Amino acid sequence: DTGVSQDPRHKITKRGQNVTFRCDPISEHNRLYWYRQTLGQGPEFLTYFQNEAQLEKSRLLSDRFSAERPKGSFSTLEIQRTEQGDSAMYLCASSFAGTNYGYTFGSGTRLTVV
Amino acid sequence: KQEVTQIPAALSVPEGENLVLNCSFTDSAIYNLQWFRQDPGKGLTSLLLIQSSQREQTSGRLNASLDKSSGRSTLYIAASQPGDSATYLCADTTSHNTDKLIFGTGTRLQVFP
Repeated sequence: DTGVSQDPRHKITKRGQNVTFRCDPISEHNRLYWYRQTLGQGPEFLTYFQNEAQLEKSRLLSDRFSAERPKGSFSTLEIQRTEQGDSAMYLCASSFAGTNYGYTFGSGTRLTVV
Repeated sequence: KQEVTQIPAALSVPEGENLVLNCSFTDSAIYNLQWFRQDPGKGLTSLLLIQSSQREQTSGRLNASLDKSSGRSTLYIAASQPGDSATYLCADTTSHNTDKLIFGTGTRLQVFP
C-alpha cells in the first residue's frame, strides 16, 4: 500500500460538464475525507465518510456535488454542471478513527473549468 | 467557529538560518494540531502532530510546540536548507468524533542558497 491515490491528477473541463474524481485511501483506514483548496488558501473541508457512511457535509458542498464510498473502500466525488468557481485542487485524505496517527493526504486532483 | 491564522504569509531566508512559523487558533478546545508541508501543485505531507495533552513534538530539524491557553502553535526549523522551501500549513481539529481539520492559509517559505 503506497498511500492515498487520486485520479486523475489534472482535469480540464468545459463549463456545464460533469466531472468525477476517484480516491483510493490507505486500505486499513476507515475514514475518508474530501477537501478543496483554491490558490493561496488552505484546504477547506467538504465531506467525510466513516466506512461507507457519509457522516458530515460542509455547506460548501452544494447540490451539484455528490460523494460516495459504496463499499467503504474507494470514494468518488462528482461535480455536475461545473462552474468556473469550481476550479480548485480537490484533496482526499484518509485516517483510522481512534488512533493518533493523523491524516495521510493524496496528491490531489487539479480541476480547471474553462 | 474555529479560525486558524498563520503569520507571516511569506518568508524568505538565507540557508542555515533558524526560523519560526506561527499559528494561532481561536478555540482552545482543540483535540490535536498538525503541521503540514505542501510543495507547489502537490498534496500535503504531514510533518508533526501534537495531541492536546502534549506541549511539543520533534522530528529531525523540526520542532512544533503547542500552547492551548494562548491559542498558539509554533513550528521551529533549525539550520534551514533550500529543500525546505515550500508552503507550511497548520491545522487543528476540535472534535475527536470527526477529526475534521481547520486549516490556516499557510506560510510560504523560501530558503535561498
